[in-house]
Amino acid sequence: EAGVVQSPRYKIIEKKQPVAFWCNPISGHNTLYWYRQNLGQGPELLIRYENEEAVDDSQLPKDRFSAERLKGVDSTLKIQPAELGDSAVYLCASSLEANSPLHFGNGTRLTVT
Amino acid sequence: AQSVAQPEDQVNVAEGNPLTVKCTYSVSGNPYLFWYVQYPNRGLQFLLKYITGDNLVKGSYGFEAEFNKSQTSFHLKKPSALVSDSALYFCAVRDPRNNDMRFGAGTRLTVKP
Repeated sequence: EAGVVQSPRYKIIEKKQPVAFWCNPISGHNTLYWYRQNLGQGPELLIRYENEEAVDDSQLPKDRFSAERLKGVDSTLKIQPAELGDSAVYLCASSLEANSPLHFGNGTRLTVT
Repeated sequence: AQSVAQPEDQVNVAEGNPLTVKCTYSVSGNPYLFWYVQYPNRGLQFLLKYITGDNLVKGSYGFEAEFNKSQTSFHLKKPSALVSDSALYFCAVRDPRNNDMRFGAGTRLTVKP
């Protein structure tokens, strides 16, 4: 099966600019996660979708971050405006059900200068 | 909400020796527990999981983990380490009631020849 696909792999932007990340999960996986991973640390949950519904966005900085999963398949995460502290790897993952593992994409490495 | 602790930032072992990477968790109810490995510039890869049943679970690349309910631990083990096992290892706990998945801060394993 095709894995979780993320794009772009790398993004370098200046602070105050907008940026968007795209994720296509594994076909049939209803649960989609966005995580942020800082260097040498574990992934931190930003938002979790069940189909098209955002069921946990408590960790998403809503003043500048937004996400959508309109048709319950692929998803977009946006930052506007970006800040220096947003530099990190943004990981997308999907899973089939609660006792299934998460499948991760390779991530998007964001550098804000 | 559930949480995971990996008490060691770094574990160093010699090739051929057994290795243990420690993990403790906190969750209401019965946990679903997972181990993932991350190589440089890649997403996380699933190694093994505990859902129910036998406390000793076996996974990919010769790794295994032991679930200990009384100690709320899920330590990762391998009888004989390889240099190629050097990577970042993450323990994760999932609340089966809502699919929420949380990760530990990670342990960097270095296997020296």
